[in-house]
Formats: sequence, C-alpha cells, structure tokens
Amino acid sequence: GENVEQHPSTLSVQEGDSAVIKCTYSDSASNYFPWYKQELGKGPQLIIDIRSNVGEKKDQRIAVTLNKTAKHFSLHITETQPEDSAVYFCAAILNFGNEKLTFGTGTRLTIIP
Amino acid sequence: DTEVTQTPKHLVMGMTNKKSLKCEQHMGHRAMYWYKQKAKKPPELMFVYSYEKLSINESVPSRFSPECPNSSLLNLHLHALQPEDSALYLCASSQTHKRTGGNTIYFGEGSWLTVV
Repeated sequence: GENVEQHPSTLSVQEGDSAVIKCTYSDSASNYFPWYKQELGKGPQLIIDIRSNVGEKKDQRIAVTLNKTAKHFSLHITETQPEDSAVYFCAAILNFGNEKLTFGTGTRLTIIP
Repeated sequence: DTEVTQTPKHLVMGMTNKKSLKCEQHMGHRAMYWYKQKAKKPPELMFVYSYEKLSINESVPSRFSPECPNSSLLNLHLHALQPEDSALYLCASSQTHKRTGGNTIYFGEGSWLTVV
C-alpha cells in the first residue's frame, strides 16, 4: 500500500517568514495530493491540492509543488501569520484505485509573533 | 458550500451504552467516510460508503456499526465500546468513490467520544 512520510514534525517560524513542509510518497501510481490544516479541536480543512499532471499550484500565500520523478511534494506558506498556527497533514491517494487517503504524520506549525 | 455536519460534537458513554454518531452532507456527494483520530496522530480510515453501499471496512471491530440510510446521511452506531475507543470521529464525503480525474474529500468537525 501507499506510505507517506512528512517532515518536519514540528516547525516554528517568525511571523512574516516562510514555512515549508515536505512529504514523500511510495506508490508511483498515486495521482492526487491534498493538504489539510487542522486547528485545535476541529476537523481537517482542505487548504490546497494538486494532481499528478501539474507541477505547481498556488492560492494566495499558499503553494504546493510536486516532483513526480522524486515522488515528493511540498507545501509553501509565505508571509506567515499567527492564524497559520495549526497541524498540517499531507496526503496521497490513488484515484484510480481504492480511494484510500493515506495521510502523513503531520507537522505542528507555530508562528511566533 | 463544502459543509459536512456532524452531531453530537461531544459524547460521553459508558461501556454498556448504545449510542450513535450522525453525519450529514448536502453537496450531492455519493461517497461518505468514517475516520478515527487519536491525539497527535493522523486520521485513520474506518469505513467507506459508495452510492450508499459499504465498499471498504478497514477491519474495524463489530462494536462499530456503520449505516447509510440515504445519500446524504451516514451514521455510526456504537455498542460495548472500550476506553481505548475514545477519540475524535470524523465524517467525510467526496463526489464519487472511484472516478477518473480524482475527487476532493471534505471533512466535518468531528465528534469527540469519551468512553468511561
């Protein structure tokens, strides 16, 4: 089955700086990669996703890049704000397979004011 | 609107109780999911319903019994649970279970379950 590794497990950055979270996946057939943000006491919220036919996607301060050859994808948050503090999960899925969403282990991001 | 609504938000139950968690979505999604999340861990898949039929059961103990009464509703019936079953239970939905081009999975806010 698919295995997703996520690094770092914790990340602290100064407000206004950039944050980068990296994930690698094992199954080359995976073709959809969402990122979820989970605030304390809440469910995971989809913040951005990317499909395997695209190398990069951007939505305001958030961007995701995908390297299919190396089987890794990254989340980039620029101009970080205190409200960006949360746990972030990457995930991978085989849309043509059994549709099981495999999550990374999560990154606790703390923005220091 | 990408809303998945779960009730109750909090539930405390004894090991001999029978209770249910409920989930509702009105996005026309035909796949619905139950996940379990323990503290500081990612969500773990429990069940998947596709077009109101159970398509995936991740070897979940029978004390958890899912039900999909219609395309908008998903229930999780709980009976004879153990304290280690205490967790956040998340419902999710997506447009279809298997579809070329992929689907996007949306989560509800979860139901916090404590078994005493």
